[in-house]
Amino acid sequence: AQSVAQPEDQVNVAEGNPLTVKCTYSVSGNPYLFWYVQYPNRGLQFLLKYITGDNLVKGSYGFEAEFNKSQTSFHLKKPSALVSDSALYFCAVRDMAGGYNKLIFGAGTRLAVHP
Amino acid sequence: DADVTQTPRNRITKTGKRIMLECSQTKGHDRMYWYRQDPGLGLRLIYYSFDVKDINKGEISDGYSVSRQAQAKFSLSLESAIPNQTALYFCATSAGTEAFFGQGTRLTVV
Repeated sequence: AQSVAQPEDQVNVAEGNPLTVKCTYSVSGNPYLFWYVQYPNRGLQFLLKYITGDNLVKGSYGFEAEFNKSQTSFHLKKPSALVSDSALYFCAVRDMAGGYNKLIFGAGTRLAVHP
Repeated sequence: DADVTQTPRNRITKTGKRIMLECSQTKGHDRMYWYRQDPGLGLRLIYYSFDVKDINKGEISDGYSVSRQAQAKFSLSLESAIPNQTALYFCATSAGTEAFFGQGTRLTVV
């Protein structure tokens, strides 16, 4: 079965510093990977996805993610964190079992950016 | 207006009561999903539907049922609510690789 793991419950970063939110995956076949963000009292918003091609994927709000096949990782990154980036971040993988397209989510990582 | 709308946004109900959470979408997508979010567990799939006649159980469907009344509407029911169904519930739609989520329904079962 497809799965993703987010090893950190929380990441703390000072504003202006680079940030990394980690995600590792376990899939059979080629992975379709996603990052979503959840701001307080809001639904999930799509940030970026990797399907194929360049290992560095650029997304919304200045975020990017690096796909690493040998390490089965898809870490979310941003060169300079903003306080407004504080939110809950979810990594997800597409599961095509039974011919149905579903998203399997990680447990989430809370990002806290301090002024 | 939001593309994916969930009602109610918040609900408190008593153990044993039946409750329905509703979801409607204006994106024209065939695929609709219900997830629940619990702290430390992420989002887990309850049910999904790829068209009006196609309903499938997700990983945690016990205690839940769904109805796809139309392409745009997908309702989640708790026939007899129990306290461990207290959670944040999300509806989502998809036409391809990206999913679009509603703002969630916070359900508390007391």
